[in-house]
Amino acid sequence: QQQVKQSPQSLIVQKGGISIINCAYENTAFDYFPWYQQFPGKGPALLIAIRPDVSEKKEGRFTISFNKSAKQFSLHIMDSQPGDSATYFCAASIGNTDKLIFGTGTRLQVFP
Amino acid sequence: GAVVSQHPSRVICKSGTSVKIECRSLDFQATTMFWYRQFPKKSLMLMATSNEGSKATYEQGVEKDKFLINHASLTLSTLTVTSAHPEDSSFYICSARRPGGGGTEAFFGQGTRLTVV
Repeated sequence: QQQVKQSPQSLIVQKGGISIINCAYENTAFDYFPWYQQFPGKGPALLIAIRPDVSEKKEGRFTISFNKSAKQFSLHIMDSQPGDSATYFCAASIGNTDKLIFGTGTRLQVFP
Repeated sequence: GAVVSQHPSRVICKSGTSVKIECRSLDFQATTMFWYRQFPKKSLMLMATSNEGSKATYEQGVEKDKFLINHASLTLSTLTVTSAHPEDSSFYICSARRPGGGGTEAFFGQGTRLTVV
């Protein structure tokens, strides 16, 4: 119930391509879905987040697509750059202050 | 933007000693902070929820007597790894969520790499 499943585990994309990472959840009480980017040896940093009342949110090259009925959400990185190479985590929580449950992570490598 | 600062960023200690890690919210008051542990190339595993002025809530399987959490003020939470052993070596990360209004963003510290020798 509390799990957030993330795929793929690793992703290799050519510069300029689109990176797509998917997550699925079971707990319908989740109402906040953020994506985090983490570089080696650093803490995660928030990229973009969405609530279930919208189906899509875009910020710059990053877009979240949300499918409430399927209990799935995905991150799209347009025009992927080598600097985007990092590990990406999806997460979910209930309410404004509750703990975040993280997906297993996706290691993205963008080659020039 | 809001910042969560964690100290130290790296620590090496001898087996059997205790290590304290500090987590500070620099520009907002955090009644709740969270402590995570991360193994190499793995996800963040929630260890405990730190509550200002009250006892921490530990996740199942986390030893509360080994990982002591103190949240003495609205801007500081500490994690003490007591009687550390090599298996406690890991990357520890704290986070805090800014309360109020629509602010639900969770800010993370830069992490502490603990190595027990």
